[in-house]
Amino acid sequence: GAVVSQHPSWVICKSGTSVKIECRSLDFQATTMFWYRQFPKQSLMLMATSNEGSKATYEQGVEKDKFLINHASLTLSTLTVTSAHPEDSSFYICSAYGLAESYEQYFGPGTRLTVT
Amino acid sequence: GQNIDQPTEMTATEGAIVQINCTYQTSGFNGLFWYQQHAGEAPTFLSYNVLDGLEEKGRFSSFLSRSKGYSYLLLKELQMKDSASYLCAPLGGNYQLIWGAGTKLIIKP
Repeated sequence: GAVVSQHPSWVICKSGTSVKIECRSLDFQATTMFWYRQFPKQSLMLMATSNEGSKATYEQGVEKDKFLINHASLTLSTLTVTSAHPEDSSFYICSAYGLAESYEQYFGPGTRLTVT
Repeated sequence: GQNIDQPTEMTATEGAIVQINCTYQTSGFNGLFWYQQHAGEAPTFLSYNVLDGLEEKGRFSSFLSRSKGYSYLLLKELQMKDSASYLCAPLGGNYQLIWGAGTKLIIKP
């Protein structure tokens, strides 16, 4: 149980365009999802916490107008990178709490974004 | 402030035992997770310790000492597939995971 999927697994886009990444909980309801970014050989960096039906909480330094997060249902959260630039190229990973009263995070497989 | 200290890289031999240490300083503490991350992949859960002591799960064991702000992950009977990064992640007072850079473990035949 507690499977999280992401789509797409990799994407290449041109500078200035927008890209949407989907994160789905397949066999459970996820009231809270997390979005991370990871640059090569660096630690996971939490970008935002996404709660179903409310606005996401962004970490300091993360532009909320650039990284749009929508968590409209208990099984789907989306991250849209708007006006992407080459420096946005990174590995984007979502996660969710899988079980009630458990703080174990189940991770999606990640999305590798390359902006040319 | 909040800080996590793990060795950057370790090397071990197939079949051997390796211990990956982690010291942490957090504002509040609600347990500590260990995750494994293979290159280019998302992290996968290994263990969660909330009380002091050793938790054993197959070839992997995790230890926690809350008073010392210290944990270790012990890997036995190392296999080549254990080559990965190991992430020590305390759960802070606000119930958010705090991620360090992890320890890259290289297994040699």
